[in-house]
Formats: sequence, structure tokens, C-alpha cells
Amino acid sequence: DTEVTQTPKHLVMGMTNKKSLKCEQHMGHRAMYWYKQKAKKPPELMFVYSYEKLSINESVPSRFSPECPNSSLLNLHLHALQPEDSALYLCASSLRQTVTQETQYFGPGTRLLVL
Amino acid sequence: AQTVTQSQPEMSVQEAETVTLSCTYDTSESDYYLFWYKQPPSRQMILVIRQEAYKQQNATENRFSVNFQKAAKSFSLKISDSQLGDAAMYFCAYRRSNSGYALNFGKGTSLLVTP
Repeated sequence: DTEVTQTPKHLVMGMTNKKSLKCEQHMGHRAMYWYKQKAKKPPELMFVYSYEKLSINESVPSRFSPECPNSSLLNLHLHALQPEDSALYLCASSLRQTVTQETQYFGPGTRLLVL
Repeated sequence: AQTVTQSQPEMSVQEAETVTLSCTYDTSESDYYLFWYKQPPSRQMILVIRQEAYKQQNATENRFSVNFQKAAKSFSLKISDSQLGDAAMYFCAYRRSNSGYALNFGKGTSLLVTP
């Protein structure tokens, strides 16, 4: 089973709202990632959690706040977003326990629209 | 920083024919991973094939195969017997072998499959 699930599938929010995106995997993976993808562009890394320790892409604004409650769950909290934050947000996970198990498996994404 | 270049923004192939998508990358590392991901209109990123840099043998997955030329830093994807369901955006991606690193994606090649 190589399934990563993401909820919600679609989200529309105003610039003053607070919302959260959720990502879950039950593959025993110890690394999880958030990517942002604009239309017709490749995904760009936002955050990495490896063994529940966070690595931050310093170019990501503080209005995005990740949280890793346990090794299976990864949340992305959104607050005071801007219209340019509208994008597809992809979650991925990888096993990360041996060098031969580095493949990242992606969830279906959350399509976010900020009005 | 590692860069990944996909020089073909769009490609077209007839059903049942063979098509090759090109990818080059720039790195000073000797150990790394290369991937091809497929992203259909549903926008779920699906792993197509993976190559470890230390392996000389080209990876193959059913109708998909790669031509990995390490010295030339080239990693092309060949799709044989193309099917309508192969129509998608294809991303080439590079990843360092050590833990804690995300995927570096190329800009993608949009593949159209015609009947």
C-alpha cells in the first residue's frame, strides 16, 4: 500500500480565515513533506519532517505553519493568506530508513483558492 | 544547488508509438537518485520509474524505461506502445542520497497522445 491521503480536496478561504490542511499515511514512513504547486509549474518544497523533526524552507512565509502530531500525520495551518497563495498543496512521504528506500509517494493534493 | 532541465515543454506521440522525453541535470554529487513522475489532469503525482546513480543498469518498468548516462548527466524516459492514458505532465526529479533532502524537479514536459 503506497497511499497518502489528503483532506480536504478543495478549500476556498478568505484572507482573514484560519484553516488547516491534513495529510496522513500509514506506511510507516518517517519523513513527510509539504510542496506547493502553481499551475503549469513543478512542485516547490515548503517543509520537511524527518523523524518528526522539522526542516524549514526559509523562503516560506510565516502564514504557513506546519505541525507533525505523530509520525503518520502532517498538518499545514493556514492564517492570513494572500490570493497569490492559491495553488495545489501536495503532501508526500518516504520511508527514509535505508538509502534504498528514498522514493517519495504523493497524496492527491488540496486545491486551495484564497479570495 | 542541483538543477534539472527538461528542454521539451510539449511532446506529442501517436497511440502505440514510442516517445522519448529528455532530462539533464547538474550536480557535483556522486550518489543520488533520479525519478520520473507523471501528473495527469487529476494532478496526483504518480511515480513512473526510479534510478539509483550507483547502478549502471537502466531501470525498466513495463512500457517505461530510462537511458541513464551518468557521465553526460542525462536521464531520458522512453515510453513504448504509448496509450491514451499516458497523456500527462511528466516531471524529471533529482534527489541527493543523504536524508533530509527534497526532490528538485524539472519544469515538466506535457505529453499529448493522439489516437
